[in-house]
Amino acid sequence: GAVVSQHPSRVICKSGTSVKIECRSLDFQATTMFWYRQFPKQSLMLMATSNEGSKATYEQGVEKDKFLINHASLTLSTLTVTSAHPEDSSFYICSATTSDRGGWGYTFGSGTRLTVV
Amino acid sequence: GDSVTQMEGPVTLSEEAFLTINCTYTATGYPSLFWYVQYPGEGLQLLLKATKADDKGSNKGFEATYRKETTSFHLEKGSVQVSDSAVYFCALRTGANNLFFGTGTRLTVIP
Repeated sequence: GAVVSQHPSRVICKSGTSVKIECRSLDFQATTMFWYRQFPKQSLMLMATSNEGSKATYEQGVEKDKFLINHASLTLSTLTVTSAHPEDSSFYICSATTSDRGGWGYTFGSGTRLTVV
Repeated sequence: GDSVTQMEGPVTLSEEAFLTINCTYTATGYPSLFWYVQYPGEGLQLLLKATKADDKGSNKGFEATYRKETTSFHLEKGSVQVSDSAVYFCALRTGANNLFFGTGTRLTVIP
């Protein structure tokens, strides 16, 4: 079946540094990828939607200059948290789908636990 | 706006016990409803879905019925196993191509 590989699974970084999270579709072409964030005891919140070769569409309240999303190929999307601060500590999950899956084919990565110290 | 309210966990059950995880939703229009499961160290996987009122989704012994009158989509299983230990997410999708999730419920099944 479809697999999405997300790396790293855990990362600890110092405040002020940048962190890149990768999301790869291993056996299918992901025309659309989604990035979610989950704070403790809260829902998975959609941060942005990216289509291959286009600029990402960010949800209201998400800073596009802070959370840089690149979807340069049909198998790779990256999320870069720039100048990270402790309040950015969260669980980040990507998902991918293809247009030929009728909207049901969301495949999720295993998530990245980011801790900013 | 669209939202999902899910029973808070964690839930701990003995093997073969009956499971219910409550989920209610608020949505404009006619959403599709989903349950996703995340096993330790893995990504979210679709467990079951229902696309219209009174539909029942089922998979691996789990069931959920789309109840429009109560705006609910409760997850049930008659006899849980240790291997069912995971985090369960209720979600909805309306016209847009994204999903709204509940907070997730961690289930631990003990032998």
